[in-house]
Amino acid sequence: AQSVTQLGSHVSVSEGALVLLRCNYSSSVPPYLFWYVQYPNQGLQLLLKYTSAATLVKGINGFEAEFKKSETSFHLTKPSAHMSDAAEYFCAVSAPYNNNDMRFGAGTRLTVKP
Amino acid sequence: GAGVSQSPSNKVTEKGKDVELRCDPISGHTALYWYRQSLGQGLEFLIYFQGNSAPDKSGLPSDRFSAERTGGSVSTLTIQRTQQEDSAVYLCASRLAGGSTDTQYFGPGTRLTVL
Repeated sequence: AQSVTQLGSHVSVSEGALVLLRCNYSSSVPPYLFWYVQYPNQGLQLLLKYTSAATLVKGINGFEAEFKKSETSFHLTKPSAHMSDAAEYFCAVSAPYNNNDMRFGAGTRLTVKP
Repeated sequence: GAGVSQSPSNKVTEKGKDVELRCDPISGHTALYWYRQSLGQGLEFLIYFQGNSAPDKSGLPSDRFSAERTGGSVSTLTIQRTQQEDSAVYLCASRLAGGSTDTQYFGPGTRLTVL
């Protein structure tokens, strides 16, 4: 079984500052990992995904995440926060070839201060 | 439209009533998922449809919940005898095919409030 833990339900940064959203996973098999973003009153949108290729994954809107097996982590980063980044971010894990078993974290709400 | 659509966007009902939530997936997508998002919680998997295979109902929280997918397209999630703890946002997602690297595309959700 797979699971993810997102550290920090709320993160607040200033505009232009580094964004770091933490995600640790637990999986009995090499995982596939995903970050989704949810803007208010909208569905989830895929930011990026790791599917066992390059460990540093670049996504949309300047976000990237690095898969670190030794730390069982898949933290999401962005060098410089923009006001439009304010949203809820979800980390998710699934087993290869079993996408009907995707498990999501509780989410981290990102606030960007001017 | 090009994306996943859900209706209604908001539903307020009284405890004990039945509700139906609708999901229109992206045309051609064979996989369809229902999730529940409660306040402060992550997404809870409810049910998964893949083509003509029997659905994976392992996430349904009780026998008051059921779902069907007609003609391999539109899906309806039904909650019978609603309870206050059923209040949540219900999200639908669809995926092109069976490859687990394929992206799930989410609809905007239905916010259910049970009074």
